[in-house]
Amino acid sequence: EAQVTQNPRYLITVTGKKLTVTCSQNMNHEYMSWYRQDPGLGLRQIYYSMNVEVTDKGDVPEGYKVSRKEKRNFPLILESPSPNQTSLYFCASSFPGGTSTDTQYFGPGTRLTVL
Amino acid sequence: GQQLNQSPQSMFIQEGEDVSMNCTSSSIFNTWLWYKQDPGEGPVLLIALYKAGELTSNGRLTAQFGITRKDSFLNISASIPSDVGIYFCAGLVSQGNLIFGKGTKLSVKP
Repeated sequence: EAQVTQNPRYLITVTGKKLTVTCSQNMNHEYMSWYRQDPGLGLRQIYYSMNVEVTDKGDVPEGYKVSRKEKRNFPLILESPSPNQTSLYFCASSFPGGTSTDTQYFGPGTRLTVL
Repeated sequence: GQQLNQSPQSMFIQEGEDVSMNCTSSSIFNTWLWYKQDPGEGPVLLIALYKAGELTSNGRLTAQFGITRKDSFLNISASIPSDVGIYFCAGLVSQGNLIFGKGTKLSVKP
């Protein structure tokens, strides 16, 4: 089954304790992205990656890092989490190209709480 | 930065009614997308639009790509309870880089 998986689905942590949220896709997609979703703000892109070893900042990259060492994986790293990073996080992937394959498939989400 | 203005913010309708929502921007987009998000799930693509003026349907859903390329509309006909959720418009800024509206929360009363 084609899918994007994220782990963990739920995480409660404390300020300053480094954490990683993993994302994996099995569709051989080139593009992968991370979004955060906050009430009243919709989905905002954090980082995206156009291929292995190619990443770029989205709208809200501060406080986050990503890496793309393999095509299928795109982990999101919070080196020193703060309470304002409490949010619902989504990973997404897609093929490139201006056709119907350009659409993004989203993972199930990771709800992060930073105390 | 670029922003999408999505309206209405929320809607509370009776089952069987038609629904309209829209998305506008000061920027031009070459691709508009409409997503639906069910509670506890990630967004799922409903309709993708690639050409100005394009009108595309997916069952009871119809979306249009505005002729100016700065807006898009989504209509749902004869709403049913499972239409409940948050609907997002999105514009494609560049390959892999999407910008989303803030969403329209739809509630349907049986």
